[in-house]
Amino acid sequence: TQLLEQSPQFLSIQEGENLTVYCNSSSVFSSLQWYRQEPGEGPVLLVTVVTGGEVKKLKRLTFQFGDARKDSSLHITAAQPGDTGLYLCAGGPFGAGNMLTFGGGTRLMVKP
Amino acid sequence: DVKVTQSSRYLVKRTGEKVFLECVQDMDHENMFWYRQDPGLGLRLIYFSYDVKMKEKGDIPEGYSVSREKKERFSLILESASTNQTSMYLCASSWGGLATGELFFGEGSRLTVL
Repeated sequence: TQLLEQSPQFLSIQEGENLTVYCNSSSVFSSLQWYRQEPGEGPVLLVTVVTGGEVKKLKRLTFQFGDARKDSSLHITAAQPGDTGLYLCAGGPFGAGNMLTFGGGTRLMVKP
Repeated sequence: DVKVTQSSRYLVKRTGEKVFLECVQDMDHENMFWYRQDPGLGLRLIYFSYDVKMKEKGDIPEGYSVSREKKERFSLILESASTNQTSMYLCASSWGGLATGELFFGEGSRLTVL
């Protein structure tokens, strides 16, 4: 089983601050997905990155896939209380269809 | 909108009871999944199904079984519930054949086994 490690596990910040969440593995992935899960809901896909070195922006969120396709980061600029939630990365291994491997998650709280 | 519906949001069962968790999706997805979510462990795959009556074990299938008699419905069965199966259970679906396919999740079923 390929492992994905997320850091930090918990993050509590004030509104307006910037933050970065990391997702690391010793394995190479064909793609990397980021999901956000709000309390009482299932995870919802934010983005999929598929090319090594790829950077995608979604409003104040910037996602990067490492050149070696072993790691990814999520950077949030000027965090808002609405960003509060559990952020999960999920790696898609080569040749295994939809068998994603999920990281342990980063629980983010943004205080007003 | 894609909708994945899980039949029970909260269940409380006793050790040894049989538990059924039902999941229905309305997007004609080929793939359906059952995950277990525990704090700090992320999502762990229990079983998945890529077609009617087809199933494959995930990472933690012990103590669980599944049934997929119709394309839209995927059931998770705990034959004899144990306290270590207390957890949040998430059902998901996706289009078939895509290595980077987006998963669509239900809202989850929180099971407590006493």
